Amino acid sequence: DIQMTQSPSSLSASVGDRVTITCRASQSISIFLNWYQQKPGKAPKLLIYAASSLQSGVPSRFSGSGSGTDFTLTISSLQPEDFATYYCQQSVSTPYTFGQGAKVEIK
Amino acid sequence: QVQLVQSGAEVKKPGASVKVSCKASGYNFIAYGISWVRQAPGQGLEWMGWISTYNGNTKYAQKVQGRVTMTTDTSTTTAYMELRSLRSDDTAAYYCAREPTDWAHLDSWGQGTLVTVSS
Repeated sequence: DIQMTQSPSSLSASVGDRVTITCRASQSISIFLNWYQQKPGKAPKLLIYAASSLQSGVPSRFSGSGSGTDFTLTISSLQPEDFATYYCQQSVSTPYTFGQGAKVEIK
Repeated sequence: QVQLVQSGAEVKKPGASVKVSCKASGYNFIAYGISWVRQAPGQGLEWMGWISTYNGNTKYAQKVQGRVTMTTDTSTTTAYMELRSLRSDDTAAYYCAREPTDWAHLDSWGQGTLVTVSS
């Protein structure tokens, strides 16, 4: 199975900050990488697919980049509603494994 | 609008089975696959498997292979996930999610079904 490792596992940031979360795959996955946001008690929500494609309806402050084994999710200016846990997921081969999550908390 | 509505919470004893339903609406059901993802309390997301709503083909994670069966009923646009021989570590929120056929990503999710396994 492909292992996905996110860093950091948690971070504290202020409204307006630029936030970057990284995701590393244990082997090359091309651009088969998705990002999800999850708030407590809620289902995950798709933000980015194919490494850099913004899902319809997702604010443009979210962006994704990378290919191969290293990927980044960037929030250009953190908003109050962005405090949540973020997960990456590889979809090049089953099982479609997720990273362990990165929790973004209020500083 | 696209909706995936799951069945309600379940409490089961170890060794029992559970069957969770996922009623889809607002789109062409057979044009998208359905994946199932679970999340143990306070833990991350775990992909369990996928089913083609078009032909019933399935792919299961090895961890649940042999205990899980995913099915669909196109007449009622409902997907099902049955997990047998339940153990305490199967306690989790179970989510269904829609997966487009052109790229494997989960673009709409059900609200989740909490399954508690306890004696």
